[in-house]
Amino acid sequence: AQSVTQPDIHITVSEGASLELRCNYSYGATPYLFWYVQSPGQGLQLLLKYFSGDTLVQGIKGFEAEFKRSQSSFNLRKPSVHWSDAAEYFCAVGAVMNRDDKIIFGKGTRLHILP
Amino acid sequence: GAGVSQSPSNKVTEKGKDVELRCDPISGHTALYWYRQSLGQGLEFLIYFQGNSAPDKSGLPSDRFSAERTGGSVSTLTIQRTQQEDSAVYLCASSPGLAVGYEQFFGPGTRLTVL
Repeated sequence: AQSVTQPDIHITVSEGASLELRCNYSYGATPYLFWYVQSPGQGLQLLLKYFSGDTLVQGIKGFEAEFKRSQSSFNLRKPSVHWSDAAEYFCAVGAVMNRDDKIIFGKGTRLHILP
Repeated sequence: GAGVSQSPSNKVTEKGKDVELRCDPISGHTALYWYRQSLGQGLEFLIYFQGNSAPDKSGLPSDRFSAERTGGSVSTLTIQRTQQEDSAVYLCASSPGLAVGYEQFFGPGTRLTVL
């Protein structure tokens, strides 16, 4: 069965510093991979998604993620974080199978930004 | 508005009471999803609808939980005889289709507190 692991529950970085949020997935075939962000008091918003092709995916708000099949990872990165990036980030995997055609979310990583 | 809406935004109830949570998806979206978000647990899939039918009810935690969707639009999640462990944020999402490649658009959620 497919699964998603986000090893870090909390991450704290200084404003202006670079960011990498880790995501590992388990699935036998090529997965559909997503990153969503949940800002305080708001619903989840899609940052980016990977289906196929170029393994480096660009998203909104200056985020990018890289699919590495050999490591079963889809880590989210940003070169320089802003205070407004403080939020909870969810990695998700979806599979194109009749019985498992739903998206499974990780438990999330809460990002804290130091001024 | 054009987004997914949920009502009420907050619900406080007493143990043993029934509650109904409502979701209005984006117009034209055929797929609708319910998730439960508990502290530190990420998003737990509950049920999805394609049109008015719910092919996968496997995520519902118990038979106290039920959901329906009428007219291919509004959905109601009902929890009977609420328990304290039902306290969580219940999120609804909709998408243009059921395939996992579609982005899910999330509502702001209903925060349920069972006293």
